[in-house]
Amino acid sequence: AQSVAQPEDQVNVAEGNPLTVKCTYSVSGNPYLFWYVQYPNRGLQFLLKYITGDNLVKGSYGFEAEFNKSQTSFHLKKPSALVSDSALYFCAVREKGNNRLAFGKGNQVVVIP
Amino acid sequence: KAGVTQTPRYLIKTRGQQVTLSCSPISGHRSVSWYQQTPGQGLQFLFEYFSETQRNKGNFPGRFSGRQFSNSRSEMNVSTLELGDSALYLCASSPISSAGYETQYFGPGTRLLVL
Repeated sequence: AQSVAQPEDQVNVAEGNPLTVKCTYSVSGNPYLFWYVQYPNRGLQFLLKYITGDNLVKGSYGFEAEFNKSQTSFHLKKPSALVSDSALYFCAVREKGNNRLAFGKGNQVVVIP
Repeated sequence: KAGVTQTPRYLIKTRGQQVTLSCSPISGHRSVSWYQQTPGQGLQFLFEYFSETQRNKGNFPGRFSGRQFSNSRSEMNVSTLELGDSALYLCASSPISSAGYETQYFGPGTRLLVL
């Protein structure tokens, strides 16, 4: 069964500093990987995905993620964090031929002005 | 295009009652999935519907059911509500392409409180 681990509960970063949110996954076969963001009392907003191709994926709002097959990781990054990036971030994985997303527990990102 | 819409946005019920939640997918999206989000269990997959057929089901009791209509709109029903059913229920829709399933886009959710 597919699964995702997001090891940190909360990530604190100063505004303007690089932001990294970690994610490792377990899946049979090639993974389909996603990052979503959730603001308070809102649904999930899609940020980016990795299906195949370049290991560095660029997404919305300046976010990018690096796929590392040997380490089964898909870390989310942003070169310069904004206060408005403060939110809950979820990593998700699914298997090919299956539309069932398995989510990590989420990481609360706090960007300090 | 309009996004995924869910109604109602907020709901308060008492134990033992039943509830029906509605989801309208993005136009052209034929797959609809439902997820439950709670502080303790996080985001958990409930079920997925495609072409009015349930294609996948998560590990939830039979009190949780759903259906999809010919226009791809979906409903989920929870019967005999329990306190632990209090959660944010999220609906997601995705198109189906020749490459398979595509990205799931989520609605704002329905927050259910069971008293």
